[in-house]
Amino acid sequence: EVQLVESGGGLVQPGGSLRLSCAASGFTVSSNYMSWVRQAPGKGLEWVSVIYSGGSTYYADSVKGRFTISRDNSKNTLYLQMNSLRAEDTAVYYCARDHVTMNAFDIWGQGTMVTVSS
Amino acid sequence: EIVLTQSPGTLSLSPGERATLSCRASQSVSSSYLAWYQQKPGQAPRLLIYGASSRATGIPDRFSGSGSGTDFTLTISRLEPEDFAVYYCQQYGSAYTFGQGTKLEIK
Repeated sequence: EVQLVESGGGLVQPGGSLRLSCAASGFTVSSNYMSWVRQAPGKGLEWVSVIYSGGSTYYADSVKGRFTISRDNSKNTLYLQMNSLRAEDTAVYYCARDHVTMNAFDIWGQGTMVTVSS
Repeated sequence: EIVLTQSPGTLSLSPGERATLSCRASQSVSSSYLAWYQQKPGQAPRLLIYGASSRATGIPDRFSGSGSGTDFTLTISRLEPEDFAVYYCQQYGSAYTFGQGTKLEIK
């Protein structure tokens, strides 16, 4: 079965760090474009970051310089390292496969909640 | 950055009715890069339409997408009870952006 399972969310203080994981099954992370998308409570969707199959990475301006996307091919897992966290980073974080021919996010994880609060 | 504006913000309709949701872009978007998603409370988004008009796997044919340039439309021909949800359009141009969403609620 093709699926994505996120983990690593939780409560963190402002200025703190957290690493999210997204384990894939049924397909190979390194052969696909993979993104993180977040959703603040009661708000819409916001794209955060993408890693291309070739390894290039891109970020939304709101997280550039603070977040790092990466992958571990041996574990077929995507990561999001989040540093210098702010209250406005509070959201459900989803990982998603960016299907290269559909140009759309066709597979989504269930999401993991990140709360930044003192 | 391309801004997507969805209208209306909320649409109140009854099962069996036709729903028309709009997505307008601040500049031209390639039809190949326009998608629609459905999201129900507590769930992840689900891909409905990609390439402006192609249905994703398993999506009923009552869902259809159309449009080009800066104006795109998602149409649900006959609403079923399970269709009441929030719908987002999304474009992939120089960056990925989503519209703010349209909430489709039962009248």
